[in-house]
Amino acid sequence: DSGVTQTPKHLITATGQRVTLRCSPRSGDLSVYWYQQSLDQGLQFLIQYYNGEERAKGNILERFSAQQFPDLHSELNLSSLELGDSALYFCASSVVAGGPYEQYFGPGTRLTVT
Amino acid sequence: AQTVTQSQPEMSVQEAETVTLSCTYDTSESDYYLFWYKQPPSRQMILVIRQEAYKQQNATENRFSVNFQKAAKSFSLKISDSQLGDAAMYFCAYLRGTSGSRLTFGEGTQLTVNP
Repeated sequence: DSGVTQTPKHLITATGQRVTLRCSPRSGDLSVYWYQQSLDQGLQFLIQYYNGEERAKGNILERFSAQQFPDLHSELNLSSLELGDSALYFCASSVVAGGPYEQYFGPGTRLTVT
Repeated sequence: AQTVTQSQPEMSVQEAETVTLSCTYDTSESDYYLFWYKQPPSRQMILVIRQEAYKQQNATENRFSVNFQKAAKSFSLKISDSQLGDAAMYFCAYLRGTSGSRLTFGEGTQLTVNP
């Protein structure tokens, strides 16, 4: 158990819909990362938050957004869903100041868009 | 931009034998970290081992060890005394050595362990 929790584990929804994925980081970790794992794109970095502020953006679509709340949990919002958004979405967390910087992953949310 | 390449899409090993998974990377940074993550059928991403670029000594974690060749930008994972539970997809990953950087992953190597 990495200490990172994600809900829900599975999500099935229709095209055009909107969903919210939730992540709670390990105790003490201020930084949260979101990654997408799809068959054709591999593991791709989406976005990072540090202590409530957006720190870095990767290959995140404009239909996707995220935020980190004062209690440090994070939510990834996916809207106007398309079939190609079906993937495994991971949240990871790490310390930031002083290292070590390895990222610990949650169990992931499997999103299926039909 | 940093890139990570795993040239072996699939590997297999007999139980109790040793196997080496290859990884090369490209970066212009001098301060960075390298990792191997394991993804079993459960799809959980599990950190296996970490190597800091500034350390010359190769990292070791029980049956897992790395061969870090900084000049060649090579970072291979050796699994000794392979067990059935080692069967998984293994990802090599690069992290720039500043706080809060993103991981860049290779394509992965699917390891099969034969009884």
